[in-house]
Order: sequence, then structure tokens, then C-alpha cells
Amino acid sequence: DAGITQSPRHKVTETGTPVTLRCHQTENHRYMYWYRQDPGHGLRLIHYSYGVKDTDKGEVSDGYSVSRSKTEDFLLTLESATSSQTSVYFCAVKEAGQGTDTQYFGPGTRLTVL
Amino acid sequence: KNEVEQSPQNLTAQEGEFITINCSYSVGISALHWLQQHPGGGIVSLFMLSSGKKKHGRLIATINIQEKHSSLHITASHPRDSAVYICAVTSLIQGAQKLVFGQGTRLTINP
Repeated sequence: DAGITQSPRHKVTETGTPVTLRCHQTENHRYMYWYRQDPGHGLRLIHYSYGVKDTDKGEVSDGYSVSRSKTEDFLLTLESATSSQTSVYFCAVKEAGQGTDTQYFGPGTRLTVL
Repeated sequence: KNEVEQSPQNLTAQEGEFITINCSYSVGISALHWLQQHPGGGIVSLFMLSSGKKKHGRLIATINIQEKHSSLHITASHPRDSAVYICAVTSLIQGAQKLVFGQGTRLTINP
């Protein structure tokens, strides 16, 4: 258990509304990730962070923004939610350094955009 | 073509059977990972390996770097093994910070 929580765990929202998902960790891991998981696509990287205020895009970043103002929190924002963003969102963390490739995942957030 | 391919996509077996899930990849890697996701549940890392074989209980993971292939075996399968098994690699091109995932294999073990 890497001390990762996600909030909310479930959310239903309407198209065009802003949504923010929160990932919180308690063990000072340097790297944090946001993924989405959809049937037929597996896990796909949205954005990741390699330190406070240091973020980079993943393969499916369009329509999403992130922020990391503290080591322990990584926020994912959908500025104007669309139905195509209905998905299960997972946060993950990883330590820095050689031989530390293993990522530890949060419990997931199920988002439905109507 | 995906950089990481798993087979089969779905597998149903009877309790007690020996299970094999395969993963092939097309990129140079520094490590390969096997993860497990139970229905409605979170994702747990089972193994990280860069060569040879690792064993944990009834689970065995092997990798052949030359053939770019890995297998996950489950001996004496049990209904609680029913889950999605995900193969992922740490690609040399993308660096150790990112994982490249296969689409997963859904395993169902019937009692």
C-alpha cells in the first residue's frame, strides 16, 4: 500500500461542466501519473509529474490539465467535460532512481459525463 | 500495432488448471511488469523482471529478452485468481518514468 487516495471515487456530471479529480499520496513519491482506462484501450497516460510544478503530457492529454503545487497532491482537471471523457481514472506514483520502475496505483475514480 | 500485445484477450478455465498468459513487445525495454486488477478493484503490481524468472506463491513470471516475450503462469488456479492481468514495459525509448501497457487478459476461473 503506497498510501494513495483518490477523490471523488465516483462522479456523474453533465457535458460542459468543469471537473477536478484529486490524487493524494502520503509517502513523498517523486513521480505521479494520471491514467484513463477504457474497454479495448487498456491504460493510457494522460499527464504525469516529475516534481512540484513539473508536469508533462502523455498520449491522451487533449482536454485535460494538471497541477501539482505540493508533493502529495496531483490534480486532474477537465475544463469542459465531454461524453468521450467518461472513463475510469487511475492515479499512480513511483519513486525516483534506478530499479524503481514499479508504479503503485490508487483505487480509481469512475467518471460519467452525461 | 501496439508496442505491447497480450494473448489471449479472454481466458476461461476450470479450477485447478495450469494457466498461461503471454505478452510480446516490440521495443527495447529495461523491465517488464505484470499487474493484476480484480473486478471493480484497484491495480496491483505482481512482478517486475528484466531477465529470467520470478515466483511468488502460485504465480510464476518468465521473460525471454532475445525473443521479446514474457509469460505469466498460474499453477493450481482458483476462482479468486479471476481478474484482468496486465503486461507493461519500461521502454528504453520512453524512459523509466513511463510504462507502456498491453490491453490486458481477462481470466475467469470457474469452480
